[in-house]
Amino acid sequence: DTAVSQTPKYLVTQMGNDKSIKCEQNLGHDTMYWYKQDSKKFLKIMFSYNNKELIINETVPNRFSPKSPDKAHLNLHINSLELGDSAVYFCASSLDSLNTEAFFGQGTRLTVV
Amino acid sequence: AQSVTQPDIHITVSEGASLELRCNYSYGATPYLFWYVQSPGQGLQLLLKYFSGDTLVQGIKGFEAEFKRSQSSFNLRKPSVHWSDAAEYFCAVSYSGAGSYQLTFGKGTKLSVIP
Repeated sequence: DTAVSQTPKYLVTQMGNDKSIKCEQNLGHDTMYWYKQDSKKFLKIMFSYNNKELIINETVPNRFSPKSPDKAHLNLHINSLELGDSAVYFCASSLDSLNTEAFFGQGTRLTVV
Repeated sequence: AQSVTQPDIHITVSEGASLELRCNYSYGATPYLFWYVQSPGQGLQLLLKYFSGDTLVQGIKGFEAEFKRSQSSFNLRKPSVHWSDAAEYFCAVSYSGAGSYQLTFGKGTKLSVIP
């Protein structure tokens, strides 16, 4: 009954591969986010979706493509993985786009070798 | 641009000692302010938040924080630290951008607790 769940928790892959990370929330929230936490633990927002519509798209390489099939899911697809993509990716959700109390998933540790 | 500064990268305290983690923000108006905690290998958990009203806010696990507008600060405090409090602590500011709010995080303060 985890509120925000991400899969997989760990992902090790080679450069050049394409991979996806899935996120689901069962809180009934309208807004979902992807954050990237780098090796220095710095957290930065990547994308935000509200009711399946993209509302925040920070400066992120276009190799990263979020997809929201419904408001409970926000998946992150990454093409042509690079070493610098290695990080922990956190999914989060909030009640709506004006409510900033965000609930975070456990994170997906991506390692590109 | 909005920013959050956590001046202390790493703090070590003895169990039972008091704790204060500093946070300063840069924002044109009164922001929404948050403290999150991240235990090793875990996601982020909200400790407390300030939106308006009483400037001293109480959170979970015995933490509290005080909003000081004149100092643009939102420091986190705990009177007596427990070993289980060892974790990374993030201060965050929420501001409006493109019709929605988004969180900007500080770089975090790692707390170590000596038994």
